[in-house]
Amino acid sequence: SYVLTQPPSVSVAPGQTAWISCGGNNIGSKSVHWYKQEPGQAPLLVVYDDSGRPSGIPERFSGSNSGNTATLTISRVEAGDEADYYCQVWDGNSDHYVFGTGTKVTVL
Amino acid sequence: QVQLVQSGSELKKPGASVKVSCKASGYTFTSYAMNWVRQAPGQGLEWMGWINTDTGNPTYAQGFTGRFVFSLDTSVSTAYLQISSLEAEDTAVYYCARGRHSARSTWFLDYWGQGTLVTVSS
Repeated sequence: SYVLTQPPSVSVAPGQTAWISCGGNNIGSKSVHWYKQEPGQAPLLVVYDDSGRPSGIPERFSGSNSGNTATLTISRVEAGDEADYYCQVWDGNSDHYVFGTGTKVTVL
Repeated sequence: QVQLVQSGSELKKPGASVKVSCKASGYTFTSYAMNWVRQAPGQGLEWMGWINTDTGNPTYAQGFTGRFVFSLDTSVSTAYLQISSLEAEDTAVYYCARGRHSARSTWFLDYWGQGTLVTVSS
């Protein structure tokens, strides 16, 4: 089955930029979606189809995808960005959703 | 606005069954698939499968066959997850989430329920 690997944690100072990676075999050929999950809350879609932003999601959230790595970028990080972030793809071979291992973003 | 409202927390003994509900509003229920996602304490998200809300046909991910059943009541726009023969390892938060087909022919989950904590303990 398809595997998505994320770093367990990323730390960033307020106002700086956070990059969260999501590694997978030839992931650049797939569409990657990203979710933010604050403690005790349900996940929230923040990026779809590599770089699309749902209504209401700040422009500070952006995404890219190439080769074996997709990246979620959070610019001008704020305290409210502290959360767990998950990448997700649709595996067409198995017709299954696949989630990444998750990354905890800590705002220093 | 789209809303998915799930039933409340459950405390069950090992061997019992539980049925979690997910009531949808703000859109045509049968136009979007409903998915179920599990999150064990301190762990990541795990996709359990989905149910076609138009036909009622369920698809289960590996590891979620046998004891797990997805069902619907379209008259009240509600999806259900039933788990039988509960084990301690079933202790988790269970989310329903609406599936959305993207312009690039993939799927993502655009709206989520608030989650239902199921605790299995003797």
